[in-house]
Amino acid sequence: AQTVTQSQPEMSVQEAETVTLSCTYDTSESDYYLFWYKQPPSRQMILVIRQEAYKQQNATENRFSVNFQKAAKSFSLKISDSQLGDAAMYFCAGLKSSGDKLTFGTGTRLAVRP
Amino acid sequence: GAVVSQHPSRVICKSGTSVKIECRSLDFQATTMFWYRQFPKQSLMLMATSNEGSKATYEQGVEKDKFLINHASLTLSTLTVTSAHPEDSSFYICSARDDGLAGWETQYFGPGTRLLVL
Repeated sequence: AQTVTQSQPEMSVQEAETVTLSCTYDTSESDYYLFWYKQPPSRQMILVIRQEAYKQQNATENRFSVNFQKAAKSFSLKISDSQLGDAAMYFCAGLKSSGDKLTFGTGTRLAVRP
Repeated sequence: GAVVSQHPSRVICKSGTSVKIECRSLDFQATTMFWYRQFPKQSLMLMATSNEGSKATYEQGVEKDKFLINHASLTLSTLTVTSAHPEDSSFYICSARDDGLAGWETQYFGPGTRLLVL
């Protein structure tokens, strides 16, 4: 079974600063995918970034980057130069390469202080 | 690209009536779509996996006779909440997986449907 854990229910960051959201997971699979989704107040789920487990290089999308530590089963999200529009709920999720179902963490609510 | 729409965005109905929610992939084909339910301040709970041309696969504890899923085409899946009751009030979200070879593993989400049963 695959589990995803987000241990930070809430985080806060000053505008223009950097924040890191934590995510750990547990899986017996050797090949899988990891995702970070953002859910703003509109509740529209938006893909932020994804990582293939077989790739050692950390994924980056503009101000968003991940620190993927496969041995430690850790997949944290770093948001640089935080903006007010980054305020949202962030969900970490995992998917087996042979599977259909996304397994979601419980989410981290990020507040951005002006 | 990879846009998923849902209709309606919100619906209010009387107890005992049925409500249909549509999920459409607008610019890609999706053999597989997913239906989730989300309670306030909680994560997404997968209800069922919808497969085009075949029966949906329901998660444990989800009543298939209450939540009817039809995936009649490669771009449309519908969720019908039959004989809705106040406890069915929730936020329902669909997602779709692009059938294209690249990025098959990524799910794209619709904007959600808020259902209120009075």
